[in-house]
Amino acid sequence: GAVVSQHPSWVICKSGTSVKIECRSLDFQATTMFWYRQFPKQSLMLMATSNEGSKATYEQGVEKDKFLINHASLTLSTLTVTSAHPEDSSFYICSARDYRSSYNSPLHFGNGTRLTVT
Amino acid sequence: ELKVEQNPLFLSMQEGKNYTIYCNYSTTSDRLYWYRQDPGKSLESLFVLLSNGAVKQEGRLMASLDTKARLSTLHITAAVHDLSATYFCAVATNTGNQFYFGTGTSLTVIP
Repeated sequence: GAVVSQHPSWVICKSGTSVKIECRSLDFQATTMFWYRQFPKQSLMLMATSNEGSKATYEQGVEKDKFLINHASLTLSTLTVTSAHPEDSSFYICSARDYRSSYNSPLHFGNGTRLTVT
Repeated sequence: ELKVEQNPLFLSMQEGKNYTIYCNYSTTSDRLYWYRQDPGKSLESLFVLLSNGAVKQEGRLMASLDTKARLSTLHITAAVHDLSATYFCAVATNTGNQFYFGTGTSLTVIP
């Protein structure tokens, strides 16, 4: 089945530093990937839609300069949290769909990255 | 902005009992999905519902969709401990293909 790999699984960083999270589709190609953020015991909030070869589309209220998204190939999207602060601590999950699959098919999710900013 | 609400948020039920989780959404969509999330893990796809009146069943779980009422239900029959998890519904927009998730229902099945 379709596998989405996310790396790292967890990361601890100091305030003011930047962290890059990678999302790879291992056995399929994805023209679009989605980045979500999840706070403890809460739902997933869509942050942005990552489009291969073009700019990401950000949801309202998400700072594009804070959360940099790059989708350089059909199998890789990256999310960089710049100048991280403790309030950025969260669980970040990426998802993707095989571009050849049906429009209706479900998204496949990575295992998530738990970011802790100290 | 598309809003997706689930209730209840928390559900504690005994093994062998039945219960229904409800998912309401605020705008027109003909695609609704149910996912399961175990603690600290990612999401597993359970059901894809694509039309009004659609019903899907897998084991002790059955999902249905009423697009006119903008309502989906996830029914649990004769619950077992292994079903303990958080369940999310998600609605896909008809235009941008983004998925918006419900508030989640944390289910605990007690022996």
